[in-house]
Amino acid sequence: AQSVAQPEDQVNVAEGNPLTVKCTYSVSGNPYLFWYVQYPNRGLQFLLKYITGDNLVKGSYGFEAEFNKSQTSFHLKKPSALVSDSALYFCAVRDIKNYGQNFVFGPGTRLSVLP
Amino acid sequence: DTEVTQTPKHLVMGMTNKKSLKCEQHMGHRAMYWYKQKAKKPPELMFVYSYEKLSINESVPSRFSPECPNSSLLNLHLHALQPEDSALYLCASSQLRVSTDTQYFGPGTRLTVL
Repeated sequence: AQSVAQPEDQVNVAEGNPLTVKCTYSVSGNPYLFWYVQYPNRGLQFLLKYITGDNLVKGSYGFEAEFNKSQTSFHLKKPSALVSDSALYFCAVRDIKNYGQNFVFGPGTRLSVLP
Repeated sequence: DTEVTQTPKHLVMGMTNKKSLKCEQHMGHRAMYWYKQKAKKPPELMFVYSYEKLSINESVPSRFSPECPNSSLLNLHLHALQPEDSALYLCASSQLRVSTDTQYFGPGTRLTVL
């Protein structure tokens, strides 16, 4: 079965420092991987996705993610964190059941950027 | 424009009430989704509509009844809910029900069942 792990419940980083939010996956077949961000009491906002091609994917708001097949990882990164980046981040992979209509979400990582 | 709108933003209802949640998108997407999200948890898929037909029901209790009147609208009718149904209900849409498609989420409706 498809699964996604986010090993850190909470990540704290100082404003201006680089940030990394970790995600590892276990899939059968091609990994279609997504990152979403959720601000308090809001819906999920799409940041980026990996389908195929370059292992470094650039997304919205200065975020990027590195796909590493050998380590089965898809870590989210940003060179310089902002206080406004503080939110809940979800990594997700498309499930193989129901013809890929489902997402399998990770448990989420809460990012706190300290001023 | 990647906007999905949901109304109302907040809803408080009693266990005997009947209410409806509404979702709308004008991106020409042909797949629409309902998710339920509890606090600090990931969203859980409830229903998927594809080309206005129900394609997935994730064993959701019958007190939740989805409806897709047209390709832009998605409703969730609520009746005889339980307090444990209190959650954030998210609507999403995607171009097609294909694995590589991005799902775009609305802001959600915060439902409280008393």
